[in-house]
Amino acid sequence: NAGVTQTPKFQVLKTGQSMTLQCAQDMNHEYMSWYRQDPGMGLRLIHYSVGAGITDQGEVPNGYNVSRSTTEDFPLRLLSAAPSQTSVYFCASSTPRGQPQHFGDGTRLSIL
Amino acid sequence: AQKITQTQPGMFVQEKEAVTLDCTYDTSDPSYGLFWYKQPSSGEMIFLIYQGSYDQQNATEGRYSLNFQKARKSANLVISASQLGDSAMYFCAMRELQGGSEKLVFGKGTKLTVNP
Repeated sequence: NAGVTQTPKFQVLKTGQSMTLQCAQDMNHEYMSWYRQDPGMGLRLIHYSVGAGITDQGEVPNGYNVSRSTTEDFPLRLLSAAPSQTSVYFCASSTPRGQPQHFGDGTRLSIL
Repeated sequence: AQKITQTQPGMFVQEKEAVTLDCTYDTSDPSYGLFWYKQPSSGEMIFLIYQGSYDQQNATEGRYSLNFQKARKSANLVISASQLGDSAMYFCAMRELQGGSEKLVFGKGTKLTVNP
């Protein structure tokens, strides 16, 4: 029973590099979201998706791209990494109508 | 303006005592939901309890209960009989409905320390 799987768990990048954080869920959830967690800031929504082929911006979308080609996968792309993107990233999924979001274990990303 | 406010950056409680973690929210939507999550030092986000805006009774889940005061727009988490394992960050979150989709907005969290 995998739930929400995020890879990698840790990553160090140099400024300007690009990379993709992977997120997969096996619960057939329609909703998927990406958050970043910074000290003292709680979790802030980056992008979210209400189903395959549909994505929208959250509170802090700049510098990130997403796509949702399948129900299961929701990758987050950093186009040109910046030190300000150093954070812990969480992917989450849920069914509609207020059901609790299931979170992955997070990806700790450092940009040097 | 903050939609979820957690005014207690840190709280301390003695083992076996009860503790209340405060959460106030701001929304004009009649239909919304409130969640509490626990984040231990290992980092994972653990769902604790949910309260819908139309629920007549306060939600309870084992030692967790939610003191929901709709008119005051507060949704405080009560943990009874605290255990050492309850030491963690606690986040209050609100589900918003926008354009037919749902988004979750988090507060900044409260760090709870349970002392033996």
